[in-house]
Amino acid sequence: EVQLVESGGGLVQPGGSLRLSCAASGFTFSVYDMHWVRQVTGKGLEWVSGIGVGGDTYYSGSVRGRFTISRENAKNSLYLQMNNLRAGDTAVYYCARDGSWGSGSNYYYAMDVWGQGTTVTVSS
Amino acid sequence: DIQMTQSPSSLSAAVGDRVTITCRPSETISKYLNWYQQKPGKAPKLLIYAASTLQTGVPSRFSGSGSGTDFTLTISSLQPEDFATYYCQQSYSTPRTFGQGTKVEIK
Repeated sequence: EVQLVESGGGLVQPGGSLRLSCAASGFTFSVYDMHWVRQVTGKGLEWVSGIGVGGDTYYSGSVRGRFTISRENAKNSLYLQMNNLRAGDTAVYYCARDGSWGSGSNYYYAMDVWGQGTTVTVSS
Repeated sequence: DIQMTQSPSSLSAAVGDRVTITCRPSETISKYLNWYQQKPGKAPKLLIYAASTLQTGVPSRFSGSGSGTDFTLTISSLQPEDFATYYCQQSYSTPRTFGQGTKVEIK
């Protein structure tokens, strides 16, 4: 079964750090780009960060310089190191696989597998 | 960043109704448009990618259309399990922005 399982969420004080993990199973993790998406309770989805198969990384403006995405293919794992956390970072964090479809030079991408989410609460 | 605007933000519909949700990106994105369904307390689920291609296992009552700056998600005959929030997302460029969501509620 294709599966993503997040862990590492919890309560942290403003300015603190947290490291989220996402364990992948049931597919060849190393050939997929991966993403983190977050959702504040009652609000919409916000893309946070992505990492390519070659290790290239991308961040939203709201987390750039504070969050670091990484992957460890040997462990089928995705990570999100979150530093200098703010109250506004409080959310459910999902990891997601970037599926791709197409041929030649024309590929389409979408997040086709999602974890169940892990909750991060930043509060004093 | 590409801004994604969905309309309406919410709607009330009855079982069997035809429902249409619109998504408009702030710049042209060809057909790099995805639709997701999210139910309370659950992760989003991919419904449609590349504007109009149904993900495996998604019922055929769901359909997507459009290109450029005008996209539509249609549910041809709303079923009880379709009451949820729907999001569009562009995959044309990073950041992969989402629309604000459309909540489909029972009339």
